[in-house]
Amino acid sequence: DTGVSQDPRHKITKRGQNVTFRCDPISEHNRLYWYRQTLGQGPEFLTYFQNEAQLEKSRLLSDRFSAERPKGSFSTLEIQRTEQGDSAMYLCASSSTGTGETQYFGPGTRLLVL
Amino acid sequence: SQKIEQNSEALNIQEGKTATLTCNYTNYSPAYLQWYRQDPGRGPVFLLLIRENEKEKRKERLKVTFDTTLKQSLFHITASQPADSATYLCALPNSGGYQKVTFGIGTKLQVIP
Repeated sequence: DTGVSQDPRHKITKRGQNVTFRCDPISEHNRLYWYRQTLGQGPEFLTYFQNEAQLEKSRLLSDRFSAERPKGSFSTLEIQRTEQGDSAMYLCASSSTGTGETQYFGPGTRLLVL
Repeated sequence: SQKIEQNSEALNIQEGKTATLTCNYTNYSPAYLQWYRQDPGRGPVFLLLIRENEKEKRKERLKVTFDTTLKQSLFHITASQPADSATYLCALPNSGGYQKVTFGIGTKLQVIP
């Protein structure tokens, strides 16, 4: 078991560009979450999938953000027309019925928008 | 939604002493409460979960208490070691469903040798 992986680990982009992040959850986990974390803050919930269905989406997730989990395995988070305020660590986590409420986090993707 | 308060100031303690971190919450009482550890540049790592009908939970040198009357959880690390230095996050589920959790801002613990 390799745990939750995220790619890339770091991303630097210019304002206005689009970026896409990938998350590969633990293989048997059917639930997947995206969070955003800025310096000195705890992770903020963005969205949640059960299998391929996106069941909840935070108000933090503006129209520029979209997430998918097409086959119920890996997930992508896309940010269109990035803004400097999007600079943050984007964390992915997964869980399953077996793990209950425990979420297993990936290492995160650190985004810097110049 | 739930509001969580953790001491935003860093906690410095001497190696070997017991570290005690506090998590206070407002609004409704959650069905459970979790503690996570986060090292710089890494994702949080789950440590302990305590349910509303449990007063105390232990795991090795860690102990968590949950007082639903005070709306407070205490997280203790006994015989602290420099390797325990990290940020510790408290997390509670939202009332709408168990899958969405709200994290506190975390308390940074520094164990001094």
